[in-house]
Amino acid sequence: DIQMTQSPSSVSASVGDRVTITCRASQGISSWLAWYQQKPGKAPKLLIYAASSLQSGVPSRFSGSGSGTDFTLTISSLQPEDFATYYCQQANSFPLLTFGGGTKVEIK
Amino acid sequence: EVQLVQSGAEVKKPGESLKISCKGSGYSFTNYWIGWVRQMPGKGLEWMGIIYPDDSDTRYSPSFQGQVTISADKSISTAYLQWSSLKASDTAMYYCAVGITIFSPTGFDPWGQGTLVTVSS
Repeated sequence: DIQMTQSPSSVSASVGDRVTITCRASQGISSWLAWYQQKPGKAPKLLIYAASSLQSGVPSRFSGSGSGTDFTLTISSLQPEDFATYYCQQANSFPLLTFGGGTKVEIK
Repeated sequence: EVQLVQSGAEVKKPGESLKISCKGSGYSFTNYWIGWVRQMPGKGLEWMGIIYPDDSDTRYSPSFQGQVTISADKSISTAYLQWSSLKASDTAMYYCAVGITIFSPTGFDPWGQGTLVTVSS
């Protein structure tokens, strides 16, 4: 199985800050990576697919990069509505997908 | 608008059976993979398995193989997740989600609103 490790597990940041979340795969997954945002009590929402493609309707302050084993999700200027938990998901071993453990973005 | 609507919350006793549903609309239901995801209270997302509604090709994560059954009825654009004998440890929120592309989707969107399953004696 491909394991996905996210870091940090939580981050405290202020509105306007630049936030970077990292996801590392236990083996190379090319660009088969997605990022999701989940707010409390809500279903996850797709932000980024294929490592760097922005899902329709997602603000441009979100961006993804990386390939192989190391990936990042960047929020260029944190907004109040961005406080949430973020998950990466690998799809290289489709249909056996795996999620990272999640990163909670909290208000400083 | 592409939409997945899941069935309502369930409260069951250990040993009981259960089948929850996920109805798709606004797209060609038969041609897109639908996945199921578990989220235990206060925990992260876990991939359970996936089905291709057109031919019911179904794959399970090893952790869930033999524990649940995923199925679909393409005539009513609905996917299902079922248990034959629930355990207290099955208490969780369950989500369905549709792949964004027909072949080997690199992401899933949208997701259903979730079905909360509570198993307690």
